[in-house]
Amino acid sequence: DIRLTQSPSFLSASVADRVTITCRASQDIGSFLAWYQQKPGKAPKLLIYAASTLQSGVPSRFSGSGSGTEFTLTISSLQPEDFATYYCQRLDTYPITFGQGTRLEIK
Amino acid sequence: QVELQESGPGLVKPSETLSLTCTVSGGPISSYCWSWIRQPAGKGLEWIGRFYASGSSDCNPSFKSRVTMSVDTSKNQFSLKLSSVTAADTAMYYCARETYSSGWNADNWGQGTLVTVSS
Repeated sequence: DIRLTQSPSFLSASVADRVTITCRASQDIGSFLAWYQQKPGKAPKLLIYAASTLQSGVPSRFSGSGSGTEFTLTISSLQPEDFATYYCQRLDTYPITFGQGTRLEIK
Repeated sequence: QVELQESGPGLVKPSETLSLTCTVSGGPISSYCWSWIRQPAGKGLEWIGRFYASGSSDCNPSFKSRVTMSVDTSKNQFSLKLSSVTAADTAMYYCARETYSSGWNADNWGQGTLVTVSS
């Protein structure tokens, strides 16, 4: 199976910081990658699909990039509501899998 | 705006079958694709399977033959059955709508329903 590895697993940052989360696939997955945000006690929310397309309604401070085996999610200026756990998900072949998650906390 | 709501027993005995239903409002279930994803407490997300509007389905091989998915278009509902459950199946279960762009992306989720497997 193709594995996804997110880094870092934990990230501490301040409001207004720029942060980047990386997701690496063990094999080429093209642009078949999505990013989700999950807040405690809530369902995940789709942020980015097709590696770099912003989902409707998601603030433009979120951006995604990459293709093949390395992908990044960038938040250009952290807002208080952005502190959450972020997951990448590969969508190319079965089984569909998620990265282990990156927990973003307030410094 | 489509809304999804999971329902089903919160407690299931080991070796029995877990049965969940997802009710969709705000749009026809005959369109799009519908999936199940679960999350054990404090852990990551695990994709279970999806049901296509065409009537076919795909499932995570890790569940082997334990999973059955179905749809009731008259009620705008789709369902998940997971047989022979163990404590390892204790998790929050989410249903989601998926739309296609470089893969099926879960763009609308239910709030989730907690299922505990215990005698």
